[in-house]
Amino acid sequence: DQQVKQNSPSLSVQEGRISILNCDYTNSMFDYFLWYKKYPAEGPTFLISISSIKDKNEDGRFTVFLNKSAKHLSLHIVPSQPGDSAVYFCAASETGGGNKLTFGTGTQLKVEL
Amino acid sequence: EPEVTQTPSHQVTQMGQEVILRCVPISNHLYFYWYRQILGQKVEFLVSFYNNEISEKSEIFDDQFSVERPDGSNFTLKIRSTKLEDSAMYFCASSGAAFYEQYFGPGTRLTVT
Repeated sequence: DQQVKQNSPSLSVQEGRISILNCDYTNSMFDYFLWYKKYPAEGPTFLISISSIKDKNEDGRFTVFLNKSAKHLSLHIVPSQPGDSAVYFCAASETGGGNKLTFGTGTQLKVEL
Repeated sequence: EPEVTQTPSHQVTQMGQEVILRCVPISNHLYFYWYRQILGQKVEFLVSFYNNEISEKSEIFDDQFSVERPDGSNFTLKIRSTKLEDSAMYFCASSGAAFYEQYFGPGTRLTVT
């Protein structure tokens, strides 16, 4: 069951540059999308979300873009900082599903000095 | 900043034993969840709970699992007779008015031997 896919298991970016993390989904009933960051031995930390009625949401250095026709979303981090190094999970939810989040497999981001 | 807390951080138990994992959600939140992550795999939804009843559960959440909100602050997950394959990191989460935006605890690592 791969309703939410993150095809890049890892990404390496230089400090100060843009990090772009990608996520694809197959379930057209998903209407809310979220990004979480996770450090080892900690729980996922909520970063930013977007409703399916929007195509962009911005919060500080983080921007999420949603392309519904392509069933694709991306997270942009600008500028990237060493503290951003973590695993990033994309998650999705559909109305009426008890708020259940379906997670992707994650992308390990490494921000290098 | 309010946060979700979980105890214990690590639980070791023998196969066939009952375990109870405990969580204290964020105090004004009304929706509560359990997820798990088997080592190297995705974060998977187990159950959501609202207004003192289960609102959604996954196929993983069989008769061996139960949840309870015994008082105004705690939220527990009980596994009646643990199996080796129940070994995983178990995360509790809660959400408020923005119910899709779920805040996760640090997790309980359950090891079944």
